[in-house]
Amino acid sequence: AQRVTQPEKLLSVFKGAPVELKCNYSYSGSPELFWYVQYSRQRLQLLLRHISRESIKGFTADLNKGETSFHLKKPFAQEEDSAMYYCAPKTRTGNQFYFGTGTSLTVIP
Amino acid sequence: NAGVTQTPKFQVLKTGQSMTLQCAQDMNHNSMYWYRQDPGMGLRLIYYSASEGTTDKGEVPNGYNVSRLNKREFSLRLESAAPSQTSVYFCASSEALQGIEQYFGPGTRLTVT
Repeated sequence: AQRVTQPEKLLSVFKGAPVELKCNYSYSGSPELFWYVQYSRQRLQLLLRHISRESIKGFTADLNKGETSFHLKKPFAQEEDSAMYYCAPKTRTGNQFYFGTGTSLTVIP
Repeated sequence: NAGVTQTPKFQVLKTGQSMTLQCAQDMNHNSMYWYRQDPGMGLRLIYYSASEGTTDKGEVPNGYNVSRLNKREFSLRLESAAPSQTSVYFCASSEALQGIEQYFGPGTRLTVT
């Protein structure tokens, strides 16, 4: 069965510290991987996808096929990064995103 | 553009009552989705519609029905609400079923007592 795990429900870091939000997946085939973010009082929105190898708002995410992980990283956390983050694999042939349980990130001033 | 809109924003139902959650998008997207979000469970797909005139079950369809009224609108109906359906419901849309990005509505918070 398709499965995605975000082991940390809550994560707090100080402003300026590095942050890593973990995501592990269990999928047959090679899924596409995405990170979605929900800021306070805003809608869930796409943050980044692995295939584009982009950096959005200073965040990057590397797909590690050996470890089946897609951790989200930022070298220097900012207060405006406080939000709920969801890892979302999507099978290349399937029709569904499978959202993880989410990690609530708090950046302490 | 309003993007994806949902009504109502909040609703309280008694067990056994029925209601319909409305969703509309103005982005000319072909595909639309309904999710529920429960604490510790993430978002789970209830139903989706690949295109106008088609609907398919997602991960947790029991107790729900959907209607793709036209390209813009996708409604979710609870025929006989149960406390287990207390949740936050999100509608989303994408250009196509294989679309790389889904656009979400603001959510409907439903409580069933």
